[in-house]
Amino acid sequence: QKEVEQDPGPLSVPEGAIVSLNCTYSNSAFQYFMWYRQYSRKGPELLMYTYSSGNKEDGRFTAQVDKSSKYISLFIRDSQPSDSATYLCASYTNAGKSTFGDGTTLTVKP
Amino acid sequence: GAGVSQTPSNKVTEKGKYVELRCDPISGHTALYWYRQSLGQGPEFLIYFQGTGAADDSGLPNDRFFAVRPEGSVSTLKIQRTERGDSAVYLCASSSGAHNEQFFGPGTRLTVL
Repeated sequence: QKEVEQDPGPLSVPEGAIVSLNCTYSNSAFQYFMWYRQYSRKGPELLMYTYSSGNKEDGRFTAQVDKSSKYISLFIRDSQPSDSATYLCASYTNAGKSTFGDGTTLTVKP
Repeated sequence: GAGVSQTPSNKVTEKGKYVELRCDPISGHTALYWYRQSLGQGPEFLIYFQGTGAADDSGLPNDRFFAVRPEGSVSTLKIQRTERGDSAVYLCASSSGAHNEQFFGPGTRLTVL
């Protein structure tokens, strides 16, 4: 079993929809949680970075971490076609070595 | 400023050959990471450098894989006796500290025939 599990999708939504992306993790030592966006043939780009439980909002993006249930979420409001990409969740303890999920592919249709 | 660069962008080699993959991190970044990403999967950690030393090499799959960062800047990932299963995109990332944002390069796509 992978330490970070992610529904691979694919997920297809109309423009303007609210998107919910989710991950679960099994390592209780994980303290830091990230969401990355990856376009085809590009490296991952950090979207959100949170420490421990709670919510963090940045523009149209909101990240939630619930350590009690080991659940990580990313919400995208007013989704745009340019949001079409693969979204990766990741976690690490305290050494910078990140463990990634396998990504969810999102398509936002105009 | 310039981001993380990786060369070559594509590398095709034959089974059993030796390859070197290069990473140029963002200037001044002390931490450097190598990951491997297979098709349809997330990046898989290989090794993490803090300065010149490997702080964590627990992700290197076997002794055919080796990485160096002799001057604390550029890093080279070396793979000996390549196997078809080594085919993947090798990603490099750098950060200004262990808990700071990791900036990824575009990756080197390695194909072993």
